[in-house]
Amino acid sequence: DADVTQTPRNRITKTGKRIMLECSQTKGHDRMYWYRQDPGLGLRLIYYSFDVKDINKGEISDGYSVSRQAQAKFSLSLESAIPNQTALYFCATSDSYRRGQDTDTQYFGPGTRLTVL
Amino acid sequence: AQTVTQSQPEMSVQEAETVTLSCTYDTSESDYYLFWYKQPPSRQMILVIRQEAYKQQNATENRFSVNFQKAAKSFSLKISDSQLGDAAMYFCAYRSARGAQKLVFGQGTRLTINP
Repeated sequence: DADVTQTPRNRITKTGKRIMLECSQTKGHDRMYWYRQDPGLGLRLIYYSFDVKDINKGEISDGYSVSRQAQAKFSLSLESAIPNQTALYFCATSDSYRRGQDTDTQYFGPGTRLTVL
Repeated sequence: AQTVTQSQPEMSVQEAETVTLSCTYDTSESDYYLFWYKQPPSRQMILVIRQEAYKQQNATENRFSVNFQKAAKSFSLKISDSQLGDAAMYFCAYRSARGAQKLVFGQGTRLTINP
């Protein structure tokens, strides 16, 4: 079974609808991230969370909100979807950083392709 | 703010040949990490190789190796003995050793392997 899962894998919705994308992980990591991928732009950070009570905005948080329901779950919401939010969305996890140990790597889920009509 | 630039939108190579993908970055920090991720058509982001900036030795992982030039802020990926399964988008990414651990990605390079 995958360590980082995302649901749904694909979603088509209409402008103005509320959408929630979910991420779960079994790696036991405390840090979780949401990224957005657009063609020609690479991945950009939307939100990140160091633990259940620590949530921070990334570089493109406008129009999005998140919820860290548990250490293993981190969901991304679009309160009122618009067409330019059509993109591929990735969740990622990492462990708390400790120098000398392999904790600096982020592990990605399979992605959710969202289309807003 | 840190930036990462991949100046080659597309590259192609003959099967079994060697190809080098370029990446440059801009930062004022001295302690950081660099990564190459591979994204095949399945769209999964797969870690290929990582490099710690405080290590002078270039990282290698089987057929994949990097040329890390810290002063030049350059981090290229060399793929030896290219295989059809290497065809993918390749992303270079930067992460500070402090703070949020967030990754800053380049725009990506699409690698095609010609049989």
